[in-house]
Amino acid sequence: GQQLNQSPQSMFIQEGEDVSMNCTSSSIFNTWLWYKQDPGEGPVLLIALYKAGELTSNGRLTAQFGITRKDSFLNISASIPSDVGIYFCAGSTGNQFYFGTGTSLTVIP
Amino acid sequence: SQTIHQWPATLVQPVGSPLSLECTVEGTSNPNLYWYRQAAGRGLQLLFYSVGIGQISSEVPQNLSASRPQDRQFILSSKKLLLSDSGFYLCAWGMEVKQYFGPGTRLTVT
Repeated sequence: GQQLNQSPQSMFIQEGEDVSMNCTSSSIFNTWLWYKQDPGEGPVLLIALYKAGELTSNGRLTAQFGITRKDSFLNISASIPSDVGIYFCAGSTGNQFYFGTGTSLTVIP
Repeated sequence: SQTIHQWPATLVQPVGSPLSLECTVEGTSNPNLYWYRQAAGRGLQLLFYSVGIGQISSEVPQNLSASRPQDRQFILSSKKLLLSDSGFYLCAWGMEVKQYFGPGTRLTVT
């Protein structure tokens, strides 16, 4: 199946720094989703985006649905140790979901 | 509210043995259901999805199969496990354009 290009693959940042990651696709999606996965657990949905250009926040997280509908961005402001994990993007066409390869985030206290 | 359950949480099985993983969803009706496999903490690979009872679509040919005997129950099976079947198996349910994951089953084939 189709896989989205997610970057960076990994990030090591100091506590308090801001984080940016993005996801690109060769296909257009109707919905973009962002998930966080802690070790040994299932991914948890963080943010859902429904239309091109949309900017949505969830606490310190902000995500944007790209204008071309082929990309999306996730920003985390003022990172804290519990932000550690793997972040996945996903594009949805309705019943089908296509996932990025994940960004592993490490926050150094 | 909706919840999704998977069991067992962990499983160690010898090569050649059968497999049955179960997933159930509560608090919703007629959800789309999905089985994924995740290797080494990355790369969610879609194995099967179902839009209704008895309706199963397979994404990747392999020695695994899936069944949906009830509206909110999804089962992943194998008659004979291979070493390469080891991994983290995730069940998910979808409604409209969002998807929600269960806690996962860690399968180790020895």
